[in-house]
Amino acid sequence: AQSVAQPEDQVNVAEGNPLTVKCTYSVSGNPYLFWYVQYPNRGLQFLLKYITGDNLVKGSYGFEAEFNKSQTSFHLKKPSALVSDSALYFCAVRDSSGGSYIPTFGRGTSLIVHP
Amino acid sequence: DAGVTQSPTHLIKTRGQQVTLRCSPKSGHDTVSWYQQALGQGPQFIFQYYEEEERQRGNFPDRFSGHQFPNYSSELNVNALLLGDSALYLCASSRAANRGNEQFFGPGTRLTVL
Repeated sequence: AQSVAQPEDQVNVAEGNPLTVKCTYSVSGNPYLFWYVQYPNRGLQFLLKYITGDNLVKGSYGFEAEFNKSQTSFHLKKPSALVSDSALYFCAVRDSSGGSYIPTFGRGTSLIVHP
Repeated sequence: DAGVTQSPTHLIKTRGQQVTLRCSPKSGHDTVSWYQQALGQGPQFIFQYYEEEERQRGNFPDRFSGHQFPNYSSELNVNALLLGDSALYLCASSRAANRGNEQFFGPGTRLTVL
């Protein structure tokens, strides 16, 4: 079975400060990990993914995420937050082995960047 | 590239009615997945279509059914609508070749059941 947890419902950060949105996962095999962003009344937009290789993954809009196998985490980060980054962020995991083709999504974390 | 498109954008139905939602995948994609997203929740997987067959199904009743056409577009049908079916329905497309491929989502169809 695969699962993902986003322990924070909401993250508040001041514009210009670094931000972190947390994600932990559980899979039987090796994980494929994804981050998506959702703006109000819109679909999800892909930000970045970890498949294999370097633990630090760089994605769209200046976001990056660090894969930590020992802590089973894949936290999303950005060095300097923008007000326009305010949105709902979803982490997703898919087991690289087994029969499932479907990622499991977390409940989402609302990021609020204050001016 | 138009990306993933969905229609209609919004829909209002009454309990007991039936609804059909439509999705056209991103160019080059052959796999379509449908998700239900209730307010304040993450997307919940309904089913996935590949090569015009339902390849995998989530924990949804048989009232939810689908279809994929030869051009890879897809429909989601929901019969005997319940108030609890009110949600944003998302379609996502991807390439089947690699499980590491990310999904591309459409803007969704907002279904309201009265």
